[in-house]
Amino acid sequence: EDQVTQSPEALRLQEGESSSLNCSYTVSGLRGLFWYRQDPGKGPEFLFTLYSAGEEKEKERLKATLTKKESFLHITAPKPEDSATYLCAVQAVRGSARQLTFGSGTQLTVLP
Amino acid sequence: GAGVSQTPSNKVTEKGKYVELRCDPISGHTALYWYRQSLGQGPEFLIYFQGTGAADDSGLPNDRFFAVRPEGSVSTLKIQRTERGDSAVYLCASSSILAGVGNEQFFGPGTRLTVL
Repeated sequence: EDQVTQSPEALRLQEGESSSLNCSYTVSGLRGLFWYRQDPGKGPEFLFTLYSAGEEKEKERLKATLTKKESFLHITAPKPEDSATYLCAVQAVRGSARQLTFGSGTQLTVLP
Repeated sequence: GAGVSQTPSNKVTEKGKYVELRCDPISGHTALYWYRQSLGQGPEFLIYFQGTGAADDSGLPNDRFFAVRPEGSVSTLKIQRTERGDSAVYLCASSSILAGVGNEQFFGPGTRLTVL
C-alpha cells in the first residue's frame, strides 16, 4: 500500500527565515511525486512534479528535490503570501492506475 | 473554461437524502478524478475516468457512491442515503494524458457537503 508522511504538521516562520518541508513515501514503483499548495477553502494548486531521484525543480522561492525515499520542499526567504498548506502526493506505476496518494500536509505560516 | 469548476460550492442535506455533485473539467482533458478531503487531511481518491468509462473506482467507499461521465466531459458524483460521515469537501480534478508520464492533475475548488 502506498504511504505518504509529511512533517512537520505545522511550521511557523518569520518572513525571510528559510526552511524545508519533508515528505517521506513508500510506493511499489514511483510514476511521479507531486507538490501542491492549498489555501483555505480552495482546491489544491499544482506546484511541481518530480519523476526520479536526484531531480530538482524551482519556482520563485520554492525548490523541490527528490530521493528514493523522500522529497523536500525548500522555501527560501519566505513571504507572508507563502502561508498555506503544502501537500505532497505520489502516483504509482500500477497498470492503468492514475490516482494520487496524498500526505496530510504541512500548514505553513509566515509571519511579517 | 480556464479551470475546473464544481457546483454547488456548498451543499447541506439531511441524513438519508440523495445528492448530486457536478464537475466541469478543463476543456480537452480526457482524464477526470474525484477525491474526498476531510478536515486536516489530504485528499483521498474515489474514482478515475478516462473518457466516458470509469478506469478505476477502487476508492469508492461503498455502493451508496456512484459517478458518471456520459459524454466524456462533465461528471456527476451521486451519493444515495447520505450519512453524517459523508460530510467532507469533494474535489474534482482533471488531467491531459498527453501531458506526459506524470499527468499533472488540476483541481477544482471543491463542493463542501454537510450532512445533518
